[in-house]
Amino acid sequence: DVKVTQSSRYLVKRTGEKVFLECVQDMDHENMFWYRQDPGLGLRLIYFSYDVKMKEKGDIPEGYSVSREKKERFSLILESASTNQTSMYLCASSSGFSNQPQHFGDGTRLSIL
Amino acid sequence: AQSVTQPDIHITVSEGASLELRCNYSYGATPYLFWYVQSPGQGLQLLLKYFSGDTLVQGIKGFEAEFKRSQSSFNLRKPSVHWSDAAEYFCAVGGRKISGGYNKLIFGAGTRLAVHP
Repeated sequence: DVKVTQSSRYLVKRTGEKVFLECVQDMDHENMFWYRQDPGLGLRLIYFSYDVKMKEKGDIPEGYSVSREKKERFSLILESASTNQTSMYLCASSSGFSNQPQHFGDGTRLSIL
Repeated sequence: AQSVTQPDIHITVSEGASLELRCNYSYGATPYLFWYVQSPGQGLQLLLKYFSGDTLVQGIKGFEAEFKRSQSSFNLRKPSVHWSDAAEYFCAVGGRKISGGYNKLIFGAGTRLAVHP
């Protein structure tokens, strides 16, 4: 089974802090994704990566950056956390074939105070 | 524009009753379709997927879905609901590759299912 592991289930940070969310997958997948999930809005794509050091913006990249230095690891960075970034963050990975599903981690619930 | 609509935000059914969750999509090319389930505090788990062939697809946990191209729908069904099925359900549509093999998925807003004993 595909395993996508997010480093923290719950995280509380303060406004202005730099926040790192880590994600690791064990299936040698080419693609990795970061979403945020808010009630009534479903999942919104923040960034994705289709190879090491390659990244592209999703639908809501403002206030975020990402890093993919190794194939199995994809980090989401909040450069200066703000209260409107309080949300559930989900990481996912998929193989390079277009008809393959994305596999999700358990999520990180981030609160910015 | 590509979109996924799940018309029902909340659905409540009695345990043992049948279930149908609706999903309508708008997508310019041949779609790949997915249903995911999310239990409270968890990530999304894949229930089933449709790529081609038989329009009735079977998934895990006794779920099935039917692809109807003429109606742009991919409704999820289960003949007899169990209390453990209470969760949020997401429909998603994707298609051909974009840059580097990335297949963008578009998610619906979700349907929250409650099950009465």
